[in-house]
Amino acid sequence: NAGVTQTPKFQVLKTGQSMTLQCAQDMNHEYMSWYRQDPGMGLRLIHYSVGAGITDQGEVPNGYNVSRSTTEDFPLRLLSAAPSQTSVYFCASSTGQGAMPQHFGDGTRLSIL
Amino acid sequence: GQQVMQIPQYQHVQEGEDFTTYCNSSTTLSNIQWYKQRPGGHPVFLIQLVKSGEVKKQKRLTFQFGEAKKNSSLHITATQTTDVGTYFCAVTDNDYKLSFGAGTTVTVRA
Repeated sequence: NAGVTQTPKFQVLKTGQSMTLQCAQDMNHEYMSWYRQDPGMGLRLIHYSVGAGITDQGEVPNGYNVSRSTTEDFPLRLLSAAPSQTSVYFCASSTGQGAMPQHFGDGTRLSIL
Repeated sequence: GQQVMQIPQYQHVQEGEDFTTYCNSSTTLSNIQWYKQRPGGHPVFLIQLVKSGEVKKQKRLTFQFGEAKKNSSLHITATQTTDVGTYFCAVTDNDYKLSFGAGTTVTVRA
């Protein structure tokens, strides 16, 4: 049981490039979410999904897209990378609603030059 | 989203001492969760509090939910080097969106 798996673990991009951060979970969790973590700001919710085919915006959605075609996968797409998107990105999943305990992946450390 | 303030932002503790970190909200909370993140790691769920005045213990960690359900505290007794990390509280403004506080980063002097 791998839990929540994020790839890649590290990535360096140039401004304007696009990329997809992958997130997969094998716990059959309905709820998945993406957070970004910046120093002194805790974790901020980017997008979340309450089930396959359903996504919604969180606190800081601009510049990011998501889709949920399967229960297991919840990729995060950066459309045109900007230096302000340099951060650590965490994917999380839970059995149901956001009020349930979240299981986090190991994170992707992303630098935009 | 739901706003919660965590204090202090940093806590420097002598090994063996006790300390407390607080999470405060201006609105009544339905529940509160606490997470711990070790340096370089990911947040790990510690506990959830739901009832007014609820107190839960995990070994040297004591979690409390205020009577008015607007604040919560985490008290650690006899701090050890294994307690190093950042402790976050998290609350929901609806059933789906979980908002995290900025965290309390704990360092321990041996």
